[in-house]
Amino acid sequence: NAGVTQTPKFRVLKTGQSMTLLCAQDMNHEYMYWYRQDPGMGLRLIHYSVGEGTTAKGEVPDGYNVSRLKKQNFLLGLESAAPSQTSVYFCASRTVGSRREAFFGQGTRLTVV
Amino acid sequence: KQEVTQIPAALSVPEGENLVLNCSFTDSAIYNLQWFRQDPGKGLTSLLLIQSSQREQTSGRLNASLDKSSGRSTLYIAASQPGDSATYLCAVRPSGGSNYKLTFGKGTLLTVNP
Repeated sequence: NAGVTQTPKFRVLKTGQSMTLLCAQDMNHEYMYWYRQDPGMGLRLIHYSVGEGTTAKGEVPDGYNVSRLKKQNFLLGLESAAPSQTSVYFCASRTVGSRREAFFGQGTRLTVV
Repeated sequence: KQEVTQIPAALSVPEGENLVLNCSFTDSAIYNLQWFRQDPGKGLTSLLLIQSSQREQTSGRLNASLDKSSGRSTLYIAASQPGDSATYLCAVRPSGGSNYKLTFGKGTLLTVNP
């Protein structure tokens, strides 16, 4: 019962460095999402995907890129990290049928110094 | 734009007490509402999901209700335990074209004291 798995769990980056966060789900879900969670701001949607090969912008997409080359994986990239991107990042996926329930990963805590 | 508010922001109760967490939303055109639990440093665990046509859902000691017309949902926790201590988040999924996204409240931090 892996569900949604995020890699890595923690990371410290220097300003200007790049990195990729990996999200993998084993539930055969079509929809996948990347959120960030900041104190006092709640969860905000960065990018999402409605299926393999598709991506779309959410509320706060600037400074991030995503790719969905395989149905089970959704990658979030930071090309040039900034301190404002210090946050906890969550990946989620959801069912397609009438229930449309969302399931979340354990999060990646990213610090940009 | 949908806005979700959770009151109170924090709640501290003695063990054994029954309690209610509140969630309100501004746009009643929702598809469903989901309650999550988040432990410190962890991800979100889905607790209950209520479809727009439903009035309530129950799981063990948890009962969630939905009054779509008034834009309100409550999460009732019976006989609270220290292990219930966590942040509880509600999220609404809109009906229609924006159905892909969830709008979250900022959560209620619950502390159950032994």
